[in-house]
Amino acid sequence: GAVVSQHPSWVICKSGTSVKIECRSLDFQATTMFWYRQFPKQSLMLMATSNEGSKATYEQGVEKDKFLINHASLTLSTLTVTSAHPEDSSFYICSARDQGAGRTEAFFGQGTRLTVV
Amino acid sequence: AQKVTQAQTEISVVEKEDVTLDCVYETRDTTYYLFWYKQPPSGELVFLIRRNSFDEQNEISGRYSWNFQKSTSSFNFTITASQVVDSAVYFCALSEKTSYDKVIFGPGTSLSVIP
Repeated sequence: GAVVSQHPSWVICKSGTSVKIECRSLDFQATTMFWYRQFPKQSLMLMATSNEGSKATYEQGVEKDKFLINHASLTLSTLTVTSAHPEDSSFYICSARDQGAGRTEAFFGQGTRLTVV
Repeated sequence: AQKVTQAQTEISVVEKEDVTLDCVYETRDTTYYLFWYKQPPSGELVFLIRRNSFDEQNEISGRYSWNFQKSTSSFNFTITASQVVDSAVYFCALSEKTSYDKVIFGPGTSLSVIP
């Protein structure tokens, strides 16, 4: 089945630094990928839609200058948390759909747990 | 606008009991998909089921079953003879035809199965 891989699985960074999270579709192409954020004991909240070859679309309330998204190829989207602060500590998950197979199931990565100290 | 409600925040059951997790959704689209995902403590999302809006047949998969009722906009999930390994957070989710990839999640129900 289709697989989406995220890297790293977890990361600890210092306040003020930037951290990049990668989301790869391993055996299919995805023109669109989605980034979600999940705070402890809360649901997954959609942050942005990543579009290959164009600008990402951000949900209301999500700072585009803080959460930089790049979708440079049909199999890779990256989320960069810039100038990270402790309140950015969260679980970040990406998803993608295998559009080539006409499937409607969104495949999720295993998630990245970010801790900002 | 699409919305998913899971009224039960936390549920505790004793092993071998049956448990039903409720899900109510809102959408203006006539074509949409409903999902259930399981999230164990590890954090990874485990896909359980997808149901399209035109298929109201109930589904059974082992100890899991789903009851889709368009008349009440509900998509409930029942675990029969619960086991400790079923302990997790369960999310009901919705995606509309206009954007199948964009999955909107409910708040989740935390299920604890006590031995």
